[in-house]
Amino acid sequence: EAGVTQFPSHSVIEKGQTVTLRCDPISGHDNLYWYRRVMGKEIKFLLHFVKESKQDESGMPNNRFLAERTGGTYSTLKVQPAELEDSGVYFCASSQETAADTQYFGPGTRLTVL
Amino acid sequence: AQSVTQPDIHITVSEGASLELRCNYSYGATPYLFWYVQSPGQGLQLLLKYFSGDTLVQGIKGFEAEFKRSQSSFNLRKPSVHWSDAAEYFCAVGRDFNKFYFGSGTKLNVKP
Repeated sequence: EAGVTQFPSHSVIEKGQTVTLRCDPISGHDNLYWYRRVMGKEIKFLLHFVKESKQDESGMPNNRFLAERTGGTYSTLKVQPAELEDSGVYFCASSQETAADTQYFGPGTRLTVL
Repeated sequence: AQSVTQPDIHITVSEGASLELRCNYSYGATPYLFWYVQSPGQGLQLLLKYFSGDTLVQGIKGFEAEFKRSQSSFNLRKPSVHWSDAAEYFCAVGRDFNKFYFGSGTKLNVKP
């Protein structure tokens, strides 16, 4: 069974540009989460999808971040326009409908904003 | 407020020595507790988890963790560390369908 995959693995962009990160959860997992780790600090929650619906987006930093999950499958996280403080590693995780307590994480996307 | 504290940012141990990584948490309800490991260039891998029952849980790669409710702790242990254990370790708490709260991580260095 394939794990959670994320694309790209690395992205380097200039301040003011747009970047879109993609996450493909484990097949059959209705719950999808985005987290971010900035500069060696703790990993912080951004938002949670149940299928295509946003269940909790309390961790989204501001309106420059837009997450979507079309059809309840893969998800994208767009940052527009990117700022220096958006640099970090963005993790995606997924969990099952009936065993939602365990989240399985992808390898992360390292975003560098110059 | 929910929070997780991993007081040790870096730890260095000799190969073959025992290891204990500390984790303390603050959570409004009885939490579910997790340890994840991130090896260089890899994603987060689940080492073990505690939901209920026996407070000593066994995980992969020879790791174990003990839940102590009175101390709000969930420390990770391994009796004999291998060089391949060098990685960053994260403690996390969460419950049901809710978001996880993570500690800042502990980087483990293993001396030959």
